[in-house]
Amino acid sequence: DQQVKQNSPSLSVQEGRISILNCDYTNSMFDYFLWYKKYPAEGPTFLISISSIKDKNEDGRFTVFLNKSAKHLSLHIVPSQPGDSAVYFCGYNQGGKLIFGQGTELSVKP
Amino acid sequence: GAVVSQHPSWVICKSGTSVKIECRSLDFQATTMFWYRQFPKQSLMLMATSNEGSKATYEQGVEKDKFLINHASLTLSTLTVTSAHPEDSSFYICSARVSGQEVSGNTIYFGEGSWLTVV
Repeated sequence: DQQVKQNSPSLSVQEGRISILNCDYTNSMFDYFLWYKKYPAEGPTFLISISSIKDKNEDGRFTVFLNKSAKHLSLHIVPSQPGDSAVYFCGYNQGGKLIFGQGTELSVKP
Repeated sequence: GAVVSQHPSWVICKSGTSVKIECRSLDFQATTMFWYRQFPKQSLMLMATSNEGSKATYEQGVEKDKFLINHASLTLSTLTVTSAHPEDSSFYICSARVSGQEVSGNTIYFGEGSWLTVV
């Protein structure tokens, strides 16, 4: 049973605009969530995380919001750049191992 | 940042043969490593957790006799796909967790991945 879901398989955004990637979860016991970025034929790289005791974490152009009542988190990228085009995975720690959602492929067009 | 290296990056093997993929943590010790596979346009699916000096822990639905994992040192884990079939063709990725550290974005590092094609 998928406890973390990314329901949008793809997203296309114009350069300079905001990209919003979403992730829904079912288990309220998660300590924190992590976002990873993955280019084709490469391993994922860590982007940003958020603790369950916070509702926002910001790092440069990347901001993650956590809405615990809705069991929803989102990653905002602003302004979006063509180099941001990649697959983004939200993930969580389950007993010491990282479990990922299905991923959302972001395409930022010039 | 910390580096995890996988080898080979690309491998083609004949159906029925076995192929080994190595995952090395180059500048840190990793008591625990993880193996994932990814089919095109799909998620990263955790296959197993590799523990140094002990047996690997496999996720549900993953055949342990087909995907042999060995973690003989604190810097090396290997995944051997035995009796490979075309449906095993996939992108295999390992990750390593810095020994003694809790899971976080700064303590788990991923390799570059290995493309396996079984013909």
